[in-house]
Amino acid sequence: DGGITQSPKYLFRKEGQNVTLSCEQNLNHDAMYWYRQDPGQGLRLIYYSQIVNDFQKGDIAEGYSVSREKKESFPLTVTSAQKNPTAFYLCASSIAGTRDYTFGSGTRLTVV
Amino acid sequence: AQRVTQPEKLLSVFKGAPVELKCNYSYSGSPELFWYVQYSRQRLQLLLRHISRESIKGFTADLNKGETSFHLKKPFAQEEDSAMYYCALTGVTGGGNKLTFGTGTQLKVEL
Repeated sequence: DGGITQSPKYLFRKEGQNVTLSCEQNLNHDAMYWYRQDPGQGLRLIYYSQIVNDFQKGDIAEGYSVSREKKESFPLTVTSAQKNPTAFYLCASSIAGTRDYTFGSGTRLTVV
Repeated sequence: AQRVTQPEKLLSVFKGAPVELKCNYSYSGSPELFWYVQYSRQRLQLLLRHISRESIKGFTADLNKGETSFHLKKPFAQEEDSAMYYCALTGVTGGGNKLTFGTGTQLKVEL
C-alpha cells in the first residue's frame, strides 16, 4: 500500500473522548480532503486543505477539527462534540488544480 | 449549492445486459462531472471524467447540460463490473477542487 495511508483501520472510542485519525501521503499532492461515508448517504465532505497551514470547512465540519502543518499529513480529530461519530472515514489527496482524487483505505470509527 | 442525485440504491442486471447508472446534478455554474468506483475490498478510485470523453472498461458517460445528467452506460455488463459507483461534481472554476458525491449505486451483475 503506497500513496496515501490511513491509520488505524479500526478505532474504538468511548463517548466523551476525542480521537485523532491519521492520514499521510507521499504523492507530493498539495490538496487533501476528509470525507465521511455512511450507508445510504454517500460521501460527505468534512474538511479540506489546498495548501499547508490552510484548511476550509466542508459540509459537515461541526464536531471535527483538522491541522495541516506538513504537506504530507492531514490528521482529523473527532471531538466529543460530534453527536454521531460512528462512521467510515475516508481521506483523499489530489494535485493542485485537479479533481483526480487518490483515496486512502479508510478508518472505521466506532463509539462504544 | 451543488447537489448530485443517484436515484437507484441498487441496480441488478444479468451478465451481457446493458447497464445505465443514473446521475443528475444541480449546479449554477459550469460543472465538471466524474464517476468513481469502489470494488469489493478495494479503495475508491476514479473511473472516468466527462472532460476526457473517454471509455474506461467499456463504460461511457455523456454530460447532458439540458437534462443536467451524467448517466454511466455500458452496452454489455460483465461480472467484474459489480461494485459501488459514485457520481461526483465540482465547478470548473472555483469550488476549491472539492468534490460533491452522490449517495452511490450498488451494481450487481448476475450470471
